[in-house]
Amino acid sequence: AQSVTQLGSHVSVSEGALVLLRCNYSSSVPPYLFWYVQYPNQGLQLLLKYTSAATLVKGINGFEAEFKKSETSFHLTKPSAHMSDAAEYFCAVSEFGGSQGNLIFGKGTKLSVKP
Amino acid sequence: DARVTQTPRHKVTEMGQEVTMRCQPILGHNTVFWYRQTMMQGLELLAYFRNRAPLDDSGMPKDRFSAEMPDATLATLKIQPSEPRDSAVYFCASGRGQGPTDTQYFGPGTRLTVL
Repeated sequence: AQSVTQLGSHVSVSEGALVLLRCNYSSSVPPYLFWYVQYPNQGLQLLLKYTSAATLVKGINGFEAEFKKSETSFHLTKPSAHMSDAAEYFCAVSEFGGSQGNLIFGKGTKLSVKP
Repeated sequence: DARVTQTPRHKVTEMGQEVTMRCQPILGHNTVFWYRQTMMQGLELLAYFRNRAPLDDSGMPKDRFSAEMPDATLATLKIQPSEPRDSAVYFCASGRGQGPTDTQYFGPGTRLTVL
């Protein structure tokens, strides 16, 4: 069965600092991986996704993620945090088999940005 | 700017009452997902439709929950009878049905409180 694990339920950074949110996956087949962001009282919005075309994926709002098969990781980074990045971030893997298109989400990481 | 809409946005009800949540997927999307989000469990898939047919509802308590798509523009999630443990935010998402790399577009959610 596929799964994702997000290390750290809360991450706090200063404005302008590097953002690093960790995600590790478990899959017996090459996975398709996603990062979604949830702002307070809103639904989830796609940041970026890995579909095997390129290992370094660029998304919206200056975020990017690198797929590393050897480490089974898909960590999300942003060089310089902005106050508006404060939100909850979810890593997800796409399920194979009969439920293709269904996503299995991690528990989420809440990002706080200090002025 | 096409969006998934959900009604109501907030619902407070008493234990034992019927609750109906509605979702309008983005026009042209043929997959619809219902998720429940709680602090303890995170995001859980309840049901998944493709072309209005239920593909997976294994995450849904069958004795009290039901999900339907009366037509392509409306998905409903019903709880009868409701219980306090059903208190959560319920999200609907839709997609183009392009397989495991498909992006899911989330609605703003229905926040349900069962007293």
